[in-house]
Amino acid sequence: GQNIDQPTEMTATEGAIVQINCTYQTSGFNGLFWYQQHAGEAPTFLSYNVLDGLEEKGRFSSFLSRSKGYSYLLLKELQMKDSASYLCAVTDSNYQLIWGAGTKLIIKP
Amino acid sequence: GAVVSQHPSWVICKSGTSVKIECRSLDFQATTMFWYRQFPKQSLMLMATSNEGSKATYEQGVEKDKFLINHASLTLSTLTVTSAHPEDSSFYICSARDGSGGAQPQHFGDGTRLSIL
Repeated sequence: GQNIDQPTEMTATEGAIVQINCTYQTSGFNGLFWYQQHAGEAPTFLSYNVLDGLEEKGRFSSFLSRSKGYSYLLLKELQMKDSASYLCAVTDSNYQLIWGAGTKLIIKP
Repeated sequence: GAVVSQHPSWVICKSGTSVKIECRSLDFQATTMFWYRQFPKQSLMLMATSNEGSKATYEQGVEKDKFLINHASLTLSTLTVTSAHPEDSSFYICSARDGSGGAQPQHFGDGTRLSIL
């Protein structure tokens, strides 16, 4: 079956750095997405990785290792507004998007 | 770019009413649109995939006669919840993918909060 694993919840301190991991087992791979979802709102697109390596976009970076079926989202200089759920999603060989359950990130002052 | 507009944001109505939700891609053409449902503190659940000019593909367990989907143009898809009941109360979210490339990200509308009394 197809599976995406990410931690249910993480807590970090304002100003710090946090890494949210995602591992996947899917039938084929055509890219991995990270989305941010604030409570009561729709998800917003953060990043896309299809090749191995690190993609940096401001305070957010996303890393992919296809051989390990692994990705992480790195958030630097955490702000209170970063408190949200972070969703990992993988596109399989049929271009179906498989969603993880999301990681709820709690930022403390 | 890649803006998706979803309407209405909130709906409160009586049991037995049919409710129509619109999803529009404002600045791109969306060959494929997706409809999700999300219950409080739960994950996104894909309900159906909507392709322009053809019938929607429904996920297992989703009643196609209850959740009618129409994707008549490259910029508009509608979801109609027919004869809605309290158990249909949920957060419904649409998304659209730019062009026909499966590796393109989905861009989400703001969602519709549906409450059936």
